[in-house]
Amino acid sequence: DAGVIQSPRHEVTEMGQEVTLRCKPISGHNSLFWYRQTMMRGLELLIYFNNNVPIDDSGMPEDRFSAKMPNASFSTLKIQPSEPRDSAVYFCASSFYNLGKQETQYFGPGTRLLVL
Amino acid sequence: GEDVEQSLFLSVREGDSSVINCTYTDSSSTYLYWYKQEPGAGLQLLTYIFSNMDMKQDQRLTVLLNKKDKHLSLRIADTQTGDSAIYFCAGAHDYKLSFGAGTTVTVRA
Repeated sequence: DAGVIQSPRHEVTEMGQEVTLRCKPISGHNSLFWYRQTMMRGLELLIYFNNNVPIDDSGMPEDRFSAKMPNASFSTLKIQPSEPRDSAVYFCASSFYNLGKQETQYFGPGTRLLVL
Repeated sequence: GEDVEQSLFLSVREGDSSVINCTYTDSSSTYLYWYKQEPGAGLQLLTYIFSNMDMKQDQRLTVLLNKKDKHLSLRIADTQTGDSAIYFCAGAHDYKLSFGAGTTVTVRA
């Protein structure tokens, strides 16, 4: 299996621009997670999808952030407009959830975002 | 949410054993995980332990869980230079993973 695939791996943009991060989960997984990693706050869960439906978006920082999962094999995280404080590494992870049990989360390589 | 604490740094000589410690607050965590992050890379699952277990061994890795003290440790036997990385412990409650800040392990020759 190719694992969780994220693109782009690196993104440099200017403040005010729109940024779109992409994720392809592991085939057969029905749960998808977006995390943000910063030095100050560590790893934070932004949003959790199950069967393509957002279940928990309480970690999404503000209205500038939005996430979609149009089908089981693709998700996007969009920041519009971007700000320098959004600079971080964004990870996508996927797992399988069945009969009340969430199995191990597998992480993608991350997107390193720098907003100037 | 759960608080997970780890020591921030560990320096170990090549060939020695490394022990990384973690404490957590939520006794209802069902699984406890160890992830490894190499520079510029994502989080790689190393191992995990179910909350009703005390110990799990997987090749060079040994996980010990003390539920009474809410203490988790990861022992790496015969530490190699390739083991230099940041190690995160995480507690799982339903779909939520609560991560520690990570322990940076440096292996010196």
